[in-house]
Amino acid sequence: NAGVTQTPKFQVLKTGQSMTLQCAQDMNHNSMYWYRQDPGMGLRLIYYSASEGTTDKGEVPNGYNVSRLNKREFSLRLESAAPSQTSVYFCASNSGYQETQYFGPGTRLLVL
Amino acid sequence: SQKIEQNSEALNIQEGKTATLTCNYTNYSPAYLQWYRQDPGRGPVFLLLIRENEKEKRKERLKVTFDTTLKQSLFHITASQPADSATYLCALDGSSNTGKLIFGQGTTLQVKP
Repeated sequence: NAGVTQTPKFQVLKTGQSMTLQCAQDMNHNSMYWYRQDPGMGLRLIYYSASEGTTDKGEVPNGYNVSRLNKREFSLRLESAAPSQTSVYFCASNSGYQETQYFGPGTRLLVL
Repeated sequence: SQKIEQNSEALNIQEGKTATLTCNYTNYSPAYLQWYRQDPGRGPVFLLLIRENEKEKRKERLKVTFDTTLKQSLFHITASQPADSATYLCALDGSSNTGKLIFGQGTTLQVKP
């Protein structure tokens, strides 16, 4: 099992460009999450999906959109990137409430 | 607002000693708390979960306590090794029945040989 995979590993964008971060899990998990991690700030939840077909906002959703394409895949889109979105983005999944979250390796995004 | 605090200063200890990390929270009544380990350039990895009705949980050299009165969790690593050097994150149940977690900023542990 690959667990949680994320692509790309690293990306440089110019302000105003758009991109989609991809995440997939092969553990048959119902719930998937997108976080961003900034120095000294810890992990902050951007969006999550409790099950296929549902999504909901987390703590810092502004500037992002998500799509739960199917049970395996959960993508994060930046429509118009801003320097404030420079961060490391982690995708995670679990089978539900009170269950362990499994994290991907992260995508390092630099917005110039 | 809900707040979780971990000691932002790095913790430096000698190999073989016990490391104790602290996680404090306010304005919150979590049903459970989790601890994760994160190595540089990698995603967090789950270590332990403790529920509100459990005072202590152990796994090999790891021990977690959860005091809902003090609103505090302590994370202990006994007989620490240089390989235990990493950043440790605590995370609390963000809201009922959603699986959302709120993370502390993490404490970096450095174990010196």
